[in-house]
Amino acid sequence: ETGVTQTPRHLVMGMTNKKSLKCEQHLGHNAMYWYKQSAKKPLELMFVYSLEERVENNSVPSRFSPECPNSSHLFLHLHTLQPEDSALYLCASSQNLGRVVGSPLHFGNGTRLTVT
Amino acid sequence: TQLLEQSPQFLSIQEGENLTVYCNSSSVFSSLQWYRQEPGEGPVLLVTVVTGGEVKKLKRLTFQFGDARKDSSLHITAAQTGDTGLYLCAGAPSGYSTLTFGKGTMLLVSP
Repeated sequence: ETGVTQTPRHLVMGMTNKKSLKCEQHLGHNAMYWYKQSAKKPLELMFVYSLEERVENNSVPSRFSPECPNSSHLFLHLHTLQPEDSALYLCASSQNLGRVVGSPLHFGNGTRLTVT
Repeated sequence: TQLLEQSPQFLSIQEGENLTVYCNSSSVFSSLQWYRQEPGEGPVLLVTVVTGGEVKKLKRLTFQFGDARKDSSLHITAAQTGDTGLYLCAGAPSGYSTLTFGKGTMLLVSP
């Protein structure tokens, strides 16, 4: 399998649940990202990992907890979410944090999360 | 304040028409990228423009980077239903490493 794979594709959870989103990349990239996509808003960068170390955390609430066990896998652990957290969560990967022209982001197809 | 402003937000046209969408900023970018996101999928890179004034063509799509590297446009000739999707521009302002995205232009091409 090639590219960036995200599971599950759809997730409905209550505010008291704990769940995890999974992302796997088969491109040999060394940087991985979590983005949040809400209606009528630009893509919001949540977390960036480079060489398995977190290099950016954009003031994301602590109810979102990322984990990067190796350069191919990225998780987003969710607990006590709020209804406003309902959105499409996109995982992406790139080489060298995209600093080199020609090293763009490769996105997965996202997890559509609904918090009830 | 949005760093990258895209216009129009929504565009609905008939097959065969031409269209242009815009990505504007007051900041200078070392490069800009255009992505297309189809329903139910993640964004896919279309092109990266690097040099001020640069024009790149991808079949019926023409991308231009402004001379001052603050804006970009995407022109589609003879649109097809397969062009339907959300067009996103993204760039890293000079001195920053991570990309920032515009809100996108949602294009609907009807038969």
